Amino acid sequence: DQQVKQNSPSLSVQEGRISILNCDYTNSMFDYFLWYKKYPAEGPTFLISISSIKDKNEDGRFTVFLNKSAKHLSLHIVPSQPGDSAVYFCAAKRAGKSTFGDGTTLTVKP
Amino acid sequence: DTGVSQDPRHKITKRGQNVTFRCDPISEHNRLYWYRQTLGQGPEFLTYFQNEAQLEKSRLLSDRFSAERPKGSFSTLEIQRTEQGDSAMYLCASSFRYGQEEEKLFFGSGTQLSVL
Repeated sequence: DQQVKQNSPSLSVQEGRISILNCDYTNSMFDYFLWYKKYPAEGPTFLISISSIKDKNEDGRFTVFLNKSAKHLSLHIVPSQPGDSAVYFCAAKRAGKSTFGDGTTLTVKP
Repeated sequence: DTGVSQDPRHKITKRGQNVTFRCDPISEHNRLYWYRQTLGQGPEFLTYFQNEAQLEKSRLLSDRFSAERPKGSFSTLEIQRTEQGDSAMYLCASSFRYGQEEEKLFFGSGTQLSVL
């Protein structure tokens, strides 16, 4: 029973364009949703988060949108840069424990 | 802030042997987590500690796995009688929990275990 799903294993976009990464969840009790970014041979690093009581959070080029009725969240990166190329994990938190999706590999082409 | 460090970075062992990994969290962090990651999948929760107390352990974790966090500082994860299915990246993460906040995790670079 996978509670957090990222249905697109990969995404390729042109530099300067928008990247949209999607995530679906099943448990309505999650209280926070977080995005992490991972480069090869490194552990994931925190990128941005959103509380379950909000519908949008913005930090520079990164914006996360939450649609609770659809149990769906998305990460928007605009404009995309080649340095954004990495694996992005969506995570949902409840009672201290974070549950991760399987990740989306983003490639930003120059 | 030296970040979360894990040792060793790589471990190759033969099936049936015991292995132990160490994690040193960020010093002021009170929570420490162990995750396991295999190729093409996201980190899978194993267990976590608040200070020295182990608060939760995954139902998927067999009795061959044990973790400790003596004195609420570093932590060790031991796998007894390793099996080939234990081959994975073992990630440690720490956080500071003080209220109803997002509690973002700070991950180490992981220990890559290969069981032959």
